[in-house]
Parts: sequence; structure tokens; C-alpha cells
Amino acid sequence: EDQVTQSPEALRLQEGESSSLNCSYTVSGLRGLFWYRQDPGKGPEFLFTLYSAGEEKEKERLKATLTKKESFLHITAPKPEDSATYLCAVQLPGGGGSNYKLTFGKGTLLTVNP
Amino acid sequence: DAGITQSPRHKVTETGTPVTLRCHQTENHRYMYWYRQDPGHGLRLIHYSYGVKDTDKGEVSDGYSVSRSKTEDFLLTLESATSSQTSVYFCAISGGGTQYFGPGTRLTVL
Repeated sequence: EDQVTQSPEALRLQEGESSSLNCSYTVSGLRGLFWYRQDPGKGPEFLFTLYSAGEEKEKERLKATLTKKESFLHITAPKPEDSATYLCAVQLPGGGGSNYKLTFGKGTLLTVNP
Repeated sequence: DAGITQSPRHKVTETGTPVTLRCHQTENHRYMYWYRQDPGHGLRLIHYSYGVKDTDKGEVSDGYSVSRSKTEDFLLTLESATSSQTSVYFCAISGGGTQYFGPGTRLTVL
């Protein structure tokens, strides 16, 4: 059973067409929710961490929000350079060395056409 | 960018041969992780380390072993590579909380 589900799997937008990506999770006691961006052939690049429901973080055209069951990554007026795979991950409760493990969703492939 | 390097960046090997991948960090972070990334599965944790000589299994640890003899180095070993271990392998580091990823190693097992 997936604990982290991202939707849609793929999203194609025109430049300037705002939209949102969704990350839903089924765990309780969430310690943190993370968003990453991944370009082809590269490692994931950290974007945001959210810790509690109602929290929001912004960076350029991206804004991440968190509720008790899901997170949204809002993309305002996207540009072609925003094209990438966006990954969501949750940090679950754990003891000892497992405190900081992440469980990832499968990602959303975003394509922004000029 | 976090100071993480992985070597080699690309490797082609044959079934049954041993393979070792290296992750090196210059950040002095306590936690280090090995993931594999496959189409349709996303990133899955193989093993992680929470200190020198302290390691534990992740969700897909069968066929893999790890070692950490120094803070800066975390090695992933495939004792006898199989075609199912063809994947892209990422190392990550953390001081607690946010994980920062290396550039990845693309491994092909023929």
C-alpha cells in the first residue's frame, strides 16, 4: 500500500498557465513533508520542507502548502525552465537511527511548452 | 550545492560480478543513505547509516551490503550483481531532516 501518492503522473502546461501538483499521504504522525525537483540525469534538488498543517513556503514561481492529508505544489505562470519531475517525500515517526528516513512518491513529470 | 560525490558515475558489468559504489561527502553530516530509482517505482531506500559503523536496512536491501568506516564515505556493494539491479543509484546525506542528493551512478548489469 502506497503511503505517498502523487498526481497527476504527468502534466503538460503552456507557458504562463498556472496549475497545481498534488501529494497525498496516508501516514499519521507526519514529521515533515519534502518537495524536490529532479532534472533528467541529475539527482533530486531540495525545494521545500513543510512541518505542520497550514504551513506555506514560496520560492520564485513555486508555492507549497500542507494540510493534514495532502500537500500541493502550486506553479504560477510557469516557464519552460520549470520543466522537471517533482518529487514529494514524507518523513515518518521512528526511533533511533530511523528518525530521518524518507518515503518518496513516484513523482509528477511537468512539461512547460513555450 | 551540498558536497557529495559519487563514483563511478557510470558502470557496465556482467551478471555475477561484485560491484562497489562509493559516496563521498565533505559536509561532515551524520546520516547517509543509498537509494535506487527505477521507472514506475520512484526512489526506494536500500540502506542507510546513522554514524560510523552504524547502518541499517531500507525497504529493498536484499542483494546489497554497505559499510561506513569513516564519516565521509559510505560504500554500497552488490556481492553478485543481477540484471534486476540495473538502476540509477543515488546517495544522500543529512544532518537531521532535509536530505541532499548526489549526482547518481547509472549501473547496467548485463
